[in-house]
Amino acid sequence: DVKVTQSSRYLVKRTGEKVFLECVQDMDHENMFWYRQDPGLGLRLIYFSYDVKMKEKGDIPEGYSVSREKKERFSLILESASTNQTSMYLCASSPRTSGSYNEQFFGPGTRLTVL
Amino acid sequence: QKEVEQNSGPLSVPEGAIASLNCTYSDRGSQSFFWYRQYSGKSPELIMSIYSNGDKEDGRFTAQLNKASQYVSLLIRDSQPSDSATYLCAVGTGGYQKVTFGTGTKLQVIP
Repeated sequence: DVKVTQSSRYLVKRTGEKVFLECVQDMDHENMFWYRQDPGLGLRLIYFSYDVKMKEKGDIPEGYSVSREKKERFSLILESASTNQTSMYLCASSPRTSGSYNEQFFGPGTRLTVL
Repeated sequence: QKEVEQNSGPLSVPEGAIASLNCTYSDRGSQSFFWYRQYSGKSPELIMSIYSNGDKEDGRFTAQLNKASQYVSLLIRDSQPSDSATYLCAVGTGGYQKVTFGTGTKLQVIP
């Protein structure tokens, strides 16, 4: 089974802090994604990566950055946390197969509260 | 127009009935379609994927795809209270293996 783990289930930070969210997958997947999920807005893509050291902006990248130094690890960074970044953050991974879109498998999520 | 649309619900069905969940999408070039189940406070869990027109069955779940009409549906037979969750429709569209998620339909199965 695919296993995607995230460093924290719950996190409380203060406004202005730099926040690191870590995600690790153990299935040698090429693609990794970071989403945030808010009530009424659904899942929104922040950033994704299709290879080591490669990254692409998603729909809402402002205020976030990412790092992928190793294939199994994808980090989301909030450079200066703000209260409007309080949300559930979900990491996902998927294999890359030419010509098709593959199932994404999610980690358990990190509920981040910024005070 | 949203790229992937779902009725937010809640959809209430009695235990043992068939629950029918629907999803429409706007990009005619979409190739892959997925249904995820999400329990409250948990992350989405993939339950079905479908890539070609027609029906695909897996246990009590049947996914139906009609590309001409741009809709995909999920049928849950013999609904159980444990099926009560939010069901997310996701569509593979665009490049780089991205999928677009609908906002989900909340299903309530009444014992």
